[in-house]
Amino acid sequence: AQSVAQPEDQVNVAEGNPLTVKCTYSVSGNPYLFWYVQYPNRGLQFLLKYITGDNLVKGSYGFEAEFNKSQTSFHLKKPSALVSDSALYFCAVLNTGGFKTIFGAGTRLFVKA
Amino acid sequence: ETGVTQTPRHLVMGMTNKKSLKCEQHLGHNAMYWYKQSAKKPLELMFVYSLEERVENNSVPSRFSPECPNSSHLFLHLHTLQPEDSALYLCASSQELFTDTQYFGPGTRLTVL
Repeated sequence: AQSVAQPEDQVNVAEGNPLTVKCTYSVSGNPYLFWYVQYPNRGLQFLLKYITGDNLVKGSYGFEAEFNKSQTSFHLKKPSALVSDSALYFCAVLNTGGFKTIFGAGTRLFVKA
Repeated sequence: ETGVTQTPRHLVMGMTNKKSLKCEQHLGHNAMYWYKQSAKKPLELMFVYSLEERVENNSVPSRFSPECPNSSHLFLHLHTLQPEDSALYLCASSQELFTDTQYFGPGTRLTVL
């Protein structure tokens, strides 16, 4: 069965420090992997996706994610956090030839000034 | 905004009321989705339409009834809801079914009294 896990409910980081939001997945076949962000009172916004190719994917707002097949992970990273990055982050996975995108429970990121 | 609009943004209804949620996408996409977002739970996919045909019904109670009159509009008709149905209901669209990036509306915050 297809699944995605975000092991941390919340991540706290100081502004200017690097941030990592973790995601691990389980699918049969090759995965499509996504990160979305949700700001208060808004819908989800697409950040980046991995389909194939380079394991390091660059996305919006300076975010990037690294696909690690052996560890079945797709962690979201940013070298220097901003207070405005504070939001709810969702990882999602779909197996190729699959039928349904599965979202994780979300990780709330707090960036302190 | 992302090109996907939802109305109303907030809705309070009693358990015996009938109401409808509306979603409209201005992106020329072929697929549309309804999701339910409850606190601290993964996004729950409710219904999927591709080219106005329903392709997924995720064991959703019959008190939720979707309608897709054309590829730009999606409705969710509600009747005799329960308090546990209170949640944020998100509409999304994508160019192709599932494999493509999904674009989300801002959601309707539903409260059932």
